Amino acid sequence: EAGVAQSPRYKIIEKRQSVAFWCNPISGHATLYWYQQILGQGPKLLIQFQNNGVVDDSQLPKDRFSAERLKGVDSTLKIQPAKLEDSAVYLCASSSPGGYTEAFFGQGTRLTVV
Amino acid sequence: AQSVTQLDSQVPVFEEAPVELRCNYSSSVSVYLFWYVQYPNQGLQLLLKYLSGSTLVKGINGFEAEFNKSQTSFHLRKPSVHISDTAEYFCAVSKAGGSYIPTFGRGTSLIVHP
Repeated sequence: EAGVAQSPRYKIIEKRQSVAFWCNPISGHATLYWYQQILGQGPKLLIQFQNNGVVDDSQLPKDRFSAERLKGVDSTLKIQPAKLEDSAVYLCASSSPGGYTEAFFGQGTRLTVV
Repeated sequence: AQSVTQLDSQVPVFEEAPVELRCNYSSSVSVYLFWYVQYPNQGLQLLLKYLSGSTLVKGINGFEAEFNKSQTSFHLRKPSVHISDTAEYFCAVSKAGGSYIPTFGRGTSLIVHP
């Protein structure tokens, strides 16, 4: 089966610009996650969706970050305006709903803010 | 809330030698535990998981881990490493039952020398 698709793979922007990342989960996976992985750190959950509803966004910096999953399939994560400290890899993952099921990760988008 | 501590940021080892990557967790409730591997410029791949039952868990690529509730540890081991095992390894914890929302440690870089 096809894996989790993310685009773009790399993005370089100047601070205060805006940027958007796209994720297409594995077909049939109702749960979708966005993680931020800063260099030298483990991934940190930003937001979790169940279909098109938000399960957890407690660590999402809502003053500049937003995410949506309007039709319960694809998702976009946006940063506006970007700061230098937003430089990181943004990982998308998806899983089937209900208790524990394995989450499959995309290759990520590496964002560099200069 | 759950947290994970990976005690070693980097572990160098020679090829064919045994290796142990250490992980300790903190939680006031029952947990699920995981080890993920991340190769350069790749997403995360699940190595193994502990949900319940036998405390010795075997995973892919010859890795295994042992859940020790009294010591709140979940150390990863491999009896003989290969050059191809060079990667970043992440321990993760999630509250047992309910939604699967893993919290990751900061990672351990395994460097296998010829």
